[in-house]
Amino acid sequence: GAVVSQHPSRVICKSGTSVKIECRSLDFQATTMFWYRQFPKQSLMLMATSNEGSKATYEQGVEKDKFLINHASLTLSTLTVTSAHPEDSSFYICSADDRHSNQPQHFGDGTRLSIL
Amino acid sequence: KQEVTQIPAALSVPEGENLVLNCSFTDSAIYNLQWFRQDPGKGLTSLLLIQSSQREQTSGRLNASLDKSSGRSTLYIAASQPGDSATYLCAALRGSARQLTFGSGTQLTVLP
Repeated sequence: GAVVSQHPSRVICKSGTSVKIECRSLDFQATTMFWYRQFPKQSLMLMATSNEGSKATYEQGVEKDKFLINHASLTLSTLTVTSAHPEDSSFYICSADDRHSNQPQHFGDGTRLSIL
Repeated sequence: KQEVTQIPAALSVPEGENLVLNCSFTDSAIYNLQWFRQDPGKGLTSLLLIQSSQREQTSGRLNASLDKSSGRSTLYIAASQPGDSATYLCAALRGSARQLTFGSGTQLTVLP
């Protein structure tokens, strides 16, 4: 089945650091990838839709200058949390849209981000 | 804007019980509805996907139903096991944008 690799799985860093999270579709091409954020005991909230070769579409309330998204190839999207602060600590999950599959999105295993 | 609600938020049952998890959505113009399982600190595992034209899907001990007209879906788990303990999320797909809207989840604990 389709596989999405998300890296790193866990990051702990100091406040003010920028952190990059990678999302790769390993055996299919994804023109669209999605980035979600999940706080403890809450559901997944869509942050942005990443489109290959064009600018990402951000959901209302998500700062595009804070959460930089790059989707330069059909198999890789990156999310960079710039100048991270403790309130950015969360679980970030990506998914990739496989238009040739009945299942609309394949999910990565998530990245636990902890800002000290 | 689509809103997805799951009831109950948490459920604890003894091993062997049959149980039903509920999911409701406000916009019936969905492309499909999907049920996921999430273990603590992990990503999502897709369990069942029901296309908008279907009424139910089955996989092993799991059965999911969809009633678009009433905006409801249920996940039925038969003969529950401790290994079924996890958070179960439902999500509705909006066709044009291929975006999923997730419910808040039901945290299930199956006691041995």
